[in-house]
Amino acid sequence: DGGITQSPKYLFRKEGQNVTLSCEQNLNHDAMYWYRQDPGQGLRLIYYSQIVNDFQKGDIAEGYSVSREKKESFPLTVTSAQKNPTAFYLCASSIVTGNTEAFFGQGTRLTVV
Amino acid sequence: GESVGLHLPTLSVQEGDNSIINCAYSNSASDYFIWYKQESGKGPQFIIDIRSNMDKRQGQRVTVLLNKTVKHLSLQIAATQPGDSAVYFCAENKGDTGRRALTFGSGTRLQVQP
Repeated sequence: DGGITQSPKYLFRKEGQNVTLSCEQNLNHDAMYWYRQDPGQGLRLIYYSQIVNDFQKGDIAEGYSVSREKKESFPLTVTSAQKNPTAFYLCASSIVTGNTEAFFGQGTRLTVV
Repeated sequence: GESVGLHLPTLSVQEGDNSIINCAYSNSASDYFIWYKQESGKGPQFIIDIRSNMDKRQGQRVTVLLNKTVKHLSLQIAATQPGDSAVYFCAENKGDTGRRALTFGSGTRLQVQP
């Protein structure tokens, strides 16, 4: 069935290591997004992509990187430059960007140990 | 599971009562608004959306009201059920800023007492 899949559900990282979070969708959506969620806060936009081979920074892009080589995939790398990476990361997709519903994955909980 | 919204404002209602969750948005030129429901440890789920050329839209047990004059959005849930307990987020599309992604509010926790 169609949907958006994030993996892994839980991820542990040592300080100073880069880690990549996976996001795959089979909805044939052009747009994909990464949000970060901390307790007591809403979702904050990290990066988004309107189409393959294109992406834009969101509000909190520092310390993160993305790629969009395939329509179905939008991986997020949390680099060692991200000072406080422990959070819940949510990937989403939509038919196009802007005035349309975004469908979310089930999230990846990243913990720095 | 994931603890979402530890310090969020909380609305507590009795089962069967109606719930009203409010949201103030920031951009007078925002042209699209959406409500999401998020259960602990899960991703947000779509509830209902509304475009700026409307002031009311109804779904199954839910109604969204948009007041552009005061930049206010509300979600009404009729006959609230225990399964409605979750964190609710409003989001807006700031169409005039060049940003092509939803901007989320901080959320409200709804607790339904049986």
